[in-house]
Amino acid sequence: QSVLTQPPSASGTPGQRVTISCSGSSSNIGSNTVNWYQQLPGTAPKLLIYSNNQRPSGVPDRFSGSKSGTSASLAISGLQSEDEADYYCAAWDDSLNGDVVFGGGTKLTVL
Amino acid sequence: QVQLQESGPGLVKPSETLSLTCAVSGYSISSGYYWGWIRQPPGKGLEWIGSIYHSGSTYYNPSLKSRVTISVDTSKNQFSLKLSSVTAADTAVYYCARHLVGAAHFDYWGQGTLVTVSS
Repeated sequence: QSVLTQPPSASGTPGQRVTISCSGSSSNIGSNTVNWYQQLPGTAPKLLIYSNNQRPSGVPDRFSGSKSGTSASLAISGLQSEDEADYYCAAWDDSLNGDVVFGGGTKLTVL
Repeated sequence: QVQLQESGPGLVKPSETLSLTCAVSGYSISSGYYWGWIRQPPGKGLEWIGSIYHSGSTYYNPSLKSRVTISVDTSKNQFSLKLSSVTAADTAVYYCARHLVGAAHFDYWGQGTLVTVSS
């Protein structure tokens, strides 16, 4: 059971806009920034969004992030076949000693 | 360009200790950032194991803390993971990565190494 909650799956057709949600609590998303990772099959995760809504260099502006209270969302517009991957949210958690918590991941299928 | 490379045995026997090393190139560990280990069981999600600063300060996942030791060797620019008393549930791809303190912002990752626990 992951600390951050994501839907296990999402889907869309090419060109559509899809969103993936990530729900947490006051000790993680509520008080720290959210980061999103994209994991293509057989590869290491790649940082997609950091600090809630910032894109690293090289990440297309089709990807955007937002945060409100104890929830966050990743939006992908102009969906492309190469966006089919697993997506994970992550945040620092202030409970106990402080640690990193991940969502369970969302498998995005491009129909 | 920052690069991380995991190394270590791909097969560990149950009850023994899993040992992995992450060699860092293109950036000095002593310059800052935290250096962490994350694992992913086959077909499952990501789980943070723990992280270390060049000073030796560590953070561990509470669920693994009793079995985990992370250490750093700044002279070799590498850091290591030891996980004791392993079981089949510890079979996973193990990744090393760099991140900011107090943030789950892992910007550079190793390619990952599969460790199988089996007799």
